[in-house]
Amino acid sequence: ETGVTQSPTHLIKTRGQQVTLRCSSQSGHNTVSWYQQALGQGPQFIFQYYREEENGRGNFPPRFSGLQFPNYSSELNVNALELDDSALYLCASSFRGDTGELFFGEGSRLTVL
Amino acid sequence: KNEVEQSPQNLTAQEGEFITINCSYSVGISALHWLQQHPGGGIVSLFMLSSGKKKHGRLIATINIQEKHSSLHITASHPRDSAVYICAVRSFLGPGTYKYIFGTGTRLKVLA
Repeated sequence: ETGVTQSPTHLIKTRGQQVTLRCSSQSGHNTVSWYQQALGQGPQFIFQYYREEENGRGNFPPRFSGLQFPNYSSELNVNALELDDSALYLCASSFRGDTGELFFGEGSRLTVL
Repeated sequence: KNEVEQSPQNLTAQEGEFITINCSYSVGISALHWLQQHPGGGIVSLFMLSSGKKKHGRLIATINIQEKHSSLHITASHPRDSAVYICAVRSFLGPGTYKYIFGTGTRLKVLA
């Protein structure tokens, strides 16, 4: 049990719709990062937030956006959903530092039809 | 070529065997993580390394910064070790910003 919770655990959307995924970080952690994991693949880094500011981003288009709130919880928003967005979305929390250990949630599995 | 390469991709072992999983990377890093993922998706952090060696129970992780290589060893393997093991590196993008790059994972099956 990492203390990182994600919601919803599963959801189904159709192409063109928008989705919001949520992540509550472990107590004391000020950094949240988001990952996309397609079936049979390793996770891909989407972006990271530290103290409500984005401070790192992978190769994802602008329709992937995020927020971090003062309590360090976070949201991932995806607009104009495409079929290829179907994946497991993972968030991880950590404490900012040069080598912060990552604590992952169980993920939100998104299916786009 | 991927910036983080793992080998082997798949590994089947008999219970009790010594297992080694390798990770090579081509970028500058500030840390390397070894992660374990069970069916269903949950990921557990096993080790975070920036130099040297760490040991936790039957697991040992080493990193050679000069050679850009890390290994994860499992001694006296057990069927409950069956999982996907993922190597991930933290690489700087610029001042105060960085990204994580993941390997594709090594799928380990330990037979009783």
